[in-house]
Amino acid sequence: DADVTQTPRNRITKTGKRIMLECSQTKGHDRMYWYRQDPGLGLRLIYYSFDVKDINKGEISDGYSVSRQAQAKFSLSLESAIPNQTALYFCATSTGTSGSEQFFGPGTRLTVL
Amino acid sequence: GEDVEQSLFLSVREGDSSVINCTYTDSSSTYLYWYKQEPGAGLQLLTYIFSNMDMKQDQRLTVLLNKKDKHLSLRIADTQTGDSAIYFCAESTNAGKSTFGDGTTLTVKP
Repeated sequence: DADVTQTPRNRITKTGKRIMLECSQTKGHDRMYWYRQDPGLGLRLIYYSFDVKDINKGEISDGYSVSRQAQAKFSLSLESAIPNQTALYFCATSTGTSGSEQFFGPGTRLTVL
Repeated sequence: GEDVEQSLFLSVREGDSSVINCTYTDSSSTYLYWYKQEPGAGLQLLTYIFSNMDMKQDQRLTVLLNKKDKHLSLRIADTQTGDSAIYFCAESTNAGKSTFGDGTTLTVKP
């Protein structure tokens, strides 16, 4: 079984709709992250959480919100989706050890029409 | 803020060496990473180097770090078609976040 899973894997929605992307992990890691990937722009950090009671904005948090429901679950919400939020979204986890690698989920491809 | 830059594309012939370059700005970076992303998948760690090292070799992969110039490179020897992917350079500090480059798309031609 995959250690970091994301649901859904693909989603098409309309402008103005509320969307939730979910991430679950079985790695027992405290730290979780949400990124979006756009062609030519690499990965940009949306939000991150270093433990269940810790939520931090990344470089592009506007238009997004997150919830850390448990150590294993970190969900990303788009309250009112807009077309420029069309992207590939990745969840990642890491331990709290300095310099530890991040483990990525398979990604969610979101299209906002 | 932190910035990590890489060229966007590299094309090589099968059997040749590939060299992917990366520059970063944060002098407090403690670890530097290379991740590989295959089509339709998330990123996977390929290799990493601690900032007090200048070279690391792992089978076909050689990482060189010039800390003075804040320059990192990844050399893949005897490049194979299976090496075709997007390669991301990333850096992290003790603060626990990573900053990723835009990724270099490596195309290996038979």
